Amino acid sequence: DTAVSQTPKYLVTQMGNDKSIKCEQNLGHDTMYWYKQDSKKFLKIMFSYNNKELIINETVPNRFSPKSPDKAHLNLHINSLELGDSAVYFCASSQDMAGVLTEAFFGQGTRLTVV
Amino acid sequence: AQSVTQPDIHITVSEGASLELRCNYSYGATPYLFWYVQSPGQGLQLLLKYFSGDTLVQGIKGFEAEFKRSQSSFNLRKPSVHWSDAAEYFCAVNAGGTSYGKLTFGQGTILTVHP
Repeated sequence: DTAVSQTPKYLVTQMGNDKSIKCEQNLGHDTMYWYKQDSKKFLKIMFSYNNKELIINETVPNRFSPKSPDKAHLNLHINSLELGDSAVYFCASSQDMAGVLTEAFFGQGTRLTVV
Repeated sequence: AQSVTQPDIHITVSEGASLELRCNYSYGATPYLFWYVQSPGQGLQLLLKYFSGDTLVQGIKGFEAEFKRSQSSFNLRKPSVHWSDAAEYFCAVNAGGTSYGKLTFGQGTILTVHP
């Protein structure tokens, strides 16, 4: 069973479109994340949700909107896609509570290409 | 703010040779430390982690890492590299507490293994 699964794995779309990436974890974790890996392979956190509540919101354009319908899912919706949004987006989860830390488990990534 | 530096962007070793990948962090207290590996087109897999206790930690695939507080380092080592170890390696830190698992990554080190 895949622990953290993302769909789709590849996404090619035109500028200006709106797209969503879905993420699901079956680990029973409380916390989920979205990370962006740019063309230079630099990974940076975008959002973090704990029990469906937004915890971390880094400096991300408001065209990016995460949605967590339940603690096992964290979807990423992107409006008005721009060329610079092309990247690999990773979903992750961890069993985090304040002061209790475990490692993050990552999905396979979604390679988004905006043309 | 915490930061992570991996001084070596690309390392090439021969199969069977020993390996050391460097990682330095900047943080006021002892952070939680991780090494992840990313194979081409794949997600990130946790190799090992340091939370507290013994400063020499063992991970999967024969890797180990040593936390040195005085040097703010967490270098990854392997005594004998296999061709399958060719991948990109990321060091990451987490401040713990209420940061809810937010990982700050280094820029990665690409490992090439010659036969």
